[in-house]
Amino acid sequence: EIVLTQSPGTLSLSPGERATLSCRASQSVSSSYLAWYQQKPGQAPRLLIYGASSRATGIPDRFSGSGSGTDFTFTISRLEPEDFAVYYCQQYGSSPFTFGPGTKVDIK
Amino acid sequence: QVQLQESGPGLVKPSETLSLTCAVSGYSISSSYYWGWIRQPPGTGLEWIGSIHHSGSTYYNPSLKSRVTISIDTSKNQFSLKLTSVTAADTAVYYCARPCGSWYRDPFDIWGQGTLVTVSS
Repeated sequence: EIVLTQSPGTLSLSPGERATLSCRASQSVSSSYLAWYQQKPGQAPRLLIYGASSRATGIPDRFSGSGSGTDFTFTISRLEPEDFAVYYCQQYGSSPFTFGPGTKVDIK
Repeated sequence: QVQLQESGPGLVKPSETLSLTCAVSGYSISSSYYWGWIRQPPGTGLEWIGSIHHSGSTYYNPSLKSRVTISIDTSKNQFSLKLTSVTAADTAVYYCARPCGSWYRDPFDIWGQGTLVTVSS
């Protein structure tokens, strides 16, 4: 099973700032099958990025992803008030498809 | 648009079977796609439980495979989850979801609102 580690656990930033989140896999994620989700309290996760760098339908371009192998990065170029949430990475290259523990982006 | 809605008991006793149904609207599940279940224990992360194709083929998380059955009822446009021999560790919000592509591995882009199932006597 591929274990995903996300850092930092919490990121405290102000609106307008840039957020950079990391997701590291215990072994290589095949074909960059890595996704990023956003989750707000009481809501289901929302798919933002798939294939490590492709934005899902309707996702603003301030959200971006990069990386390959075992190291992946998710960036929000300029934080909007609605972006404060928990972000999860997920690998779907190897069953079981696993999620990271999440990074909480909160308001500084 | 496609909508998913979970339903089932919110409280299950230890050692009993958890049963949930996901009703799909806005799309015929017999047309295509895999359909999946994911859970999230309170305050923690997400766990993929398994997925089913409209043809009936299934894929399960090996850690749960011995206790999980996912089935599909195309006549009712819904699919279901059964988890046997539950313990407190199975307490979670259970989500049904559809992946963004036609492959069972694809990440999920359409989710139900989730339903909390508590395992307690």
